Amino acid sequence: AQSVTQLGSHVSVSEGALVLLRCNYSSSVPPYLFWYVQYPNQGLQLLLKYTSAATLVKGINGFEAEFKKSETSFHLTKPSAHMSDAAEYFCAVSPHSGGYQKVTFGIGTKLQVIP
Amino acid sequence: NAGVTQTPKFQVLKTGQSMTLQCAQDMNHEYMSWYRQDPGMGLRLIHYSVGAGITDQGEVPNGYNVSRSTTEDFPLRLLSAAPSQTSVYFCASSPGGTGGTDTQYFGPGTRLTVL
Repeated sequence: AQSVTQLGSHVSVSEGALVLLRCNYSSSVPPYLFWYVQYPNQGLQLLLKYTSAATLVKGINGFEAEFKKSETSFHLTKPSAHMSDAAEYFCAVSPHSGGYQKVTFGIGTKLQVIP
Repeated sequence: NAGVTQTPKFQVLKTGQSMTLQCAQDMNHEYMSWYRQDPGMGLRLIHYSVGAGITDQGEVPNGYNVSRSTTEDFPLRLLSAAPSQTSVYFCASSPGGTGGTDTQYFGPGTRLTVL
């Protein structure tokens, strides 16, 4: 069975500082991986996804994530935080066999950006 | 395109009442799903559909019913509301047919309180 672990339910960074949100997965074979963002009182929207094409994935709003098989990780980073990045971020994992009923979401990390 | 729309945005029910949460999408997506979001638990799949007339259970289906008579609509019915169903409900859709790499598009959510 697959699972995903997000380390840190709350992360605070200063405006302009590096953003690092951690995600580790557990799967018998390397899965597909996603990061979604949820702004206050909105639904989730896709930031980026790993589909085996390239290990470094660039997404919207300056975010990127690197798939590291040896570390079973898919951490999300952004070089310089902006106030508008304050949101909740979800990591999700999906098996290669498909069927998004098998997608598993992490519990989420709330990012606070301090001016 | 309106994307995925959900009504109502807020709802308060008394224990034992029934109601239907509406979800519609105008992207001609084959796959649709319902999730509930609870603090510290991420998103959990309630029911999903891979096409008109086809539905199946997700991780937490008890107390909920769905049907899919058209591609566009996927209503969620609460048969007899219980306080444990207090949650935020999200509807999502995706094109389908891309295996595990499908991007899901989420609606804005319905915040339900059961007294």
